[in-house]
Amino acid sequence: DTGVSQDPRHKITKRGQNVTFRCDPISEHNRLYWYRQTLGQGPEFLTYFQNEAQLEKSRLLSDRFSAERPKGSFSTLEIQRTEQGDSAMYLCASSLGAGGLGSYEQYFGPGTRLTVT
Amino acid sequence: AQSVTQLDSQVPVFEEAPVELRCNYSSSVSVYLFWYVQYPNQGLQLLLKYLSGSTLVESINGFEAEFNKSQTSFHLRKPSVHISDTAEYFCAVLDTGRRALTFGSGTRLQVQP
Repeated sequence: DTGVSQDPRHKITKRGQNVTFRCDPISEHNRLYWYRQTLGQGPEFLTYFQNEAQLEKSRLLSDRFSAERPKGSFSTLEIQRTEQGDSAMYLCASSLGAGGLGSYEQYFGPGTRLTVT
Repeated sequence: AQSVTQLDSQVPVFEEAPVELRCNYSSSVSVYLFWYVQYPNQGLQLLLKYLSGSTLVESINGFEAEFNKSQTSFHLRKPSVHISDTAEYFCAVLDTGRRALTFGSGTRLQVQP
């Protein structure tokens, strides 16, 4: 049973460039979440999907951030026109989608560390 | 709005000593609480959770946490720590509406020989 995977693990980019990160959830999980973690802080919720539907995106940090999950499996997070303040760890998590307490447990991937120079 | 407070940013402790990492939360709805552990350069691993039932929950590696509704706390304890427990520990509360976790700022546990 593989866990949540994320690619790439590290990304260095220059200010103004666009970047895209990928997340593959645990196979039977149909909820998928994105969080951002800056140095010395806990993760901060960005958005989440139930299958291919993006049910919450008001917490995306700006209109430069967007996320997709076109087939209800993997998801991508894109940041356009990156800024130095975007440097952070971007974490993906997944959970079961069925009702019940099991759906409340989120399992995290290793994260993608973004450095904007 | 929900929030989580971890008052201690760092907790140094000697190996085999007991430890308590404090967590207080605020929530106006049903409470679901979690502790996650993060080792250097890794993602978060679920350590233990309170969803319902017994207010004392345990992990497989000797940690335990007690949900205290009157004190709005979910402190994490271990009677005897190991060097390998050195990590960052995050307390979190679940927003059941948005399904989002709200995390505290973390506590770095530093176990010294």
